[in-house]
Amino acid sequence: DIQMTQSPSSLSASVRDRVTITCRASQSISRHLNWYQQQPGKAPKLLIYAASSLQSGVPSRFSGSGSGTDFTLTISTLQPEDFATYYCQQSYTSRPTFGGGTKVEIK
Amino acid sequence: QVTLKESGPALVKSTQTLTLTCTFSGFSLSTTGMRVSWIRQPPGKALEWLARIDWDDDKFYSTSLKTRLTISKDTSKNQVVLTMANMDPVDTATYYCARDYYYESSAYYLWDYWGQGTLVTVSS
Repeated sequence: DIQMTQSPSSLSASVRDRVTITCRASQSISRHLNWYQQQPGKAPKLLIYAASSLQSGVPSRFSGSGSGTDFTLTISTLQPEDFATYYCQQSYTSRPTFGGGTKVEIK
Repeated sequence: QVTLKESGPALVKSTQTLTLTCTFSGFSLSTTGMRVSWIRQPPGKALEWLARIDWDDDKFYSTSLKTRLTISKDTSKNQVVLTMANMDPVDTATYYCARDYYYESSAYYLWDYWGQGTLVTVSS
């Protein structure tokens, strides 16, 4: 199975900060990489699919980039509602796998 | 409007078999390109994909759990059922079902709808 490694596992940031989260796959997954946001007690919400495509209804301050094995999620200007846990997921194989998550906390 | 909802026991005992049902509306699992997966999340931990069933009845299982899992669908009832045998306290988690669907416009499968999740606790 493909292993997905996210970093950092947690970070502290302030409102209006720029935040970057990275995700590395154990083998090439082309651009089959998705990003989710999960608020406490809620189901994950799709933010970015195919590495860089913004899901409908998601604010444009979220962006994704990368291909192959290295990917990045960027929040350009952190808003109060963005404090949450973020997961990457590869959908390249028939057995998708998730990263360990990055918790974005208020500084 | 697409919705999914998980149902099943909140508490099971070690060695028992867990049966979870995902009841959905707003789409049909007989539609080409439609798929439903089960994912779980132990308290405070990361997401783990468990199994998937496709519109053509193809089935896929987690490599580490495949001997314990069975997934099936009832298209007429709009349900997907997951059974997990030989439950253990480490299987305590919130279990989610989610649909992914092939959008021609994106040429990509989008995991766009998830259920609210159901917490299953396994007692020893």
